[in-house]
Amino acid sequence: QQQVKQSPQSLIVQKGGISIINCAYENTAFDYFPWYQQFPGKGPALLIAIRPDVSEKKEGRFTISFNKSAKQFSLHIMDSQPGDSATYFCAASWRGGGADGLTFGKGTHLIIQP
Amino acid sequence: DARVTQTPRHKVTEMGQEVTMRCQPILGHNTVFWYRQTMMQGLELLAYFRNRAPLDDSGMPKDRFSAEMPDATLATLKIQPSEPRDSAVYFCASGLVPERSYEQYFGPGTRLTVT
Repeated sequence: QQQVKQSPQSLIVQKGGISIINCAYENTAFDYFPWYQQFPGKGPALLIAIRPDVSEKKEGRFTISFNKSAKQFSLHIMDSQPGDSATYFCAASWRGGGADGLTFGKGTHLIIQP
Repeated sequence: DARVTQTPRHKVTEMGQEVTMRCQPILGHNTVFWYRQTMMQGLELLAYFRNRAPLDDSGMPKDRFSAEMPDATLATLKIQPSEPRDSAVYFCASGLVPERSYEQYFGPGTRLTVT
C-alpha cells in the first residue's frame, strides 16, 4: 500500500529554533518527495521538493534531508519564525502509475512561539 | 498569476440537500484532483481526471458523490444527498502529470457544513 507516515502530529518551537518534521515511506517506486505548507484558510502550496538521488536540498531556511536506505526524509526549518506557523505535509509522487499524483502524510501542525 | 479557483468558498446546507462545488483549474494543466480535508483524516484524495477523463474515483462514496469535468475549464463535485459527516473542506488541485507529478496547485477550498 502506498503510504507516507509523518511525525510529529503537532510541534511547538521557540522563535529562532530549529523545527524538524520527519516522514517515512515504503514504496521504493516513489521518485519525488515534496513538502507542502498550508496556512489557515488556504490550500496547501508546494514549499520544496527533492529527488531520491540527492541527499539534501536547501532553499533559504528550509532544508530537506533524504535517507534513501532508511526510506526516510525530513524537513528542517532553521531560525524558525512566527510566520512559519502552519501545517506541513510531506508527500511522495510516482510518475510511473498508481494515483498519478501525490500520496500525502497526515500533516504536522507547527506553532512558532515568539 | 495563474491559480485554481473554487466556488463557493463557504456552504452551509441542511442534511439531504444537494451540494455542488465548482473548480476552474489552471489552463494547460492536464490533471485535476478533488481532495477532502478533515482534522481526523487529513487530506483524502476523492477523485481525479486526466485530460477531462475520470481516472480514479475510488476515494468517493459512490452512492452520494459524483465528479465530472464537462470542459477543460470546469470540474464539479456533487453530493446528493448531503449528510453531516460530509462536513469538511473540499479542495480542487491541478497539475501536469507525469512531467511534474510532485507539484499540484491547490485552490482555496470550499468549506462545507451540513447541519
